[in-house]
Amino acid sequence: QQPVQSPQAVILREGEDAVINCSSSKALYSVHWYRQKHGEAPVFLMILLKGGEQKGHEKISASFNEKKQQSSLYLTASQLSYSGTYFCGTGGNTPLVFGKGTRLSVIA
Amino acid sequence: AAGVIQSPRHLIKEKRETATLKCYPIPRHDTVYWYQQGPGQDPQFLISFYEKMQSDKGSIPDRFSAQQFSDYHSELNMSSLELGDSALYFCASSSREDPYEQYFGPGTRLTVT
Repeated sequence: QQPVQSPQAVILREGEDAVINCSSSKALYSVHWYRQKHGEAPVFLMILLKGGEQKGHEKISASFNEKKQQSSLYLTASQLSYSGTYFCGTGGNTPLVFGKGTRLSVIA
Repeated sequence: AAGVIQSPRHLIKEKRETATLKCYPIPRHDTVYWYQQGPGQDPQFLISFYEKMQSDKGSIPDRFSAQQFSDYHSELNMSSLELGDSALYFCASSSREDPYEQYFGPGTRLTVT
């Protein structure tokens, strides 16, 4: 089942913070976060595994609440380069099921 | 570092024609996934291979087939193309040692006219 992302879109000024949420109706073993710029491939940002292991980007953090089947991606002190569509994906070491994405626009 | 390679990057075909997309995974990666992404949509899983065997099947039409070869590269064959097949096709690869991280190739943009 497809995870649900919120918000659908957000506009930030440089330096502002943002939180993107991802929730699932089924048990999660891992949550993957990707950023995609228009016409380009999704770029791996972060993976959170059941049990607390976390691997990914230095300047981006995320949380994973296994009990609530939710994950949040925290973007702090946003930069223009952060603009793009953020997807969360669930599936573990199996094919990913992506949410519909959150479009983030950072303006000067 | 070496990345996933896809070819061609752009492909224009007419309705009812066939197309073959190629994917070369990151060296030492043994698992390949194919995803289709329509305009403004999220990537949808089509099919995957591990060690040259099909491992999972998603929403892949019967008109499409795929295989993984002994050198781990994979090909997606698409026949009787329809206008709705126009999309970005991504290949992603992962290794059994670190199966959770899937790395995406640059994609092939297929346009069916």
